[in-house]
Amino acid sequence: GPKVLQIPSHQIIDMGQMVTLNCDPVSNHLYFYWYKQILGQQMEFLVNFYNGKVMEKSKLFKDQFSVERPDGSYFTLKIQPTALEDSAVYFCASSPLKTGANTEVFFGKGTRLTVV
Amino acid sequence: GDSVTQTEGQVALSEEDFLTIHCNYSASGYPTLFWYVQYPGEGPQLLFRASRDKEKGSSRGFEATYDKGTTSFHLRKASVQESDSAVYYCALSDRDSNYQLIWGSGTKLIIKP
Repeated sequence: GPKVLQIPSHQIIDMGQMVTLNCDPVSNHLYFYWYKQILGQQMEFLVNFYNGKVMEKSKLFKDQFSVERPDGSYFTLKIQPTALEDSAVYFCASSPLKTGANTEVFFGKGTRLTVV
Repeated sequence: GDSVTQTEGQVALSEEDFLTIHCNYSASGYPTLFWYVQYPGEGPQLLFRASRDKEKGSSRGFEATYDKGTTSFHLRKASVQESDSAVYYCALSDRDSNYQLIWGSGTKLIIKP
């Protein structure tokens, strides 16, 4: 089936440094998402992105977070500066249409971010 | 706001046992309900969804019936296999959530060979 690729699978970074998580969405999809999952806890929505713009974001999407997809390349989540509480698995997802009754969202395998 | 409750954090069964994972939801509107499965090292994958009262979703031997009266969408499988070991998430989306997925806390299914 359709694949969402995330690079890297694991990243360790010093607190206060910048990190960029990369996502290669399914090729004909138009909506992109980031979710955060702290170990053993539920998935939480961070942000969704369409047509070059953030459409919605949750309160977890702090000012230190930003997303972009320059010229159809990777869809990225940048955290600058990182904090210890940013340690989690970050899942990228994409869908052909906005989420709804008839839209399937496809998830990547996640990037495990460890802030030390 | 909308919410999804999964009461079992973990379920341990033997092969060929009957599985029930409970899911109850709270939503003011008429949500679409989903079951996702997450295998170790993978992202969540959609098992199936249901959008109307009494609609049954099913896939790979798993099934759940949308019950608006009891606000439930319990996952069932008649005979589990070791390969079913994974984390199962119930989720919903509706107009009040702006169609974002609202997730339950997940239930880890462990199948003993």
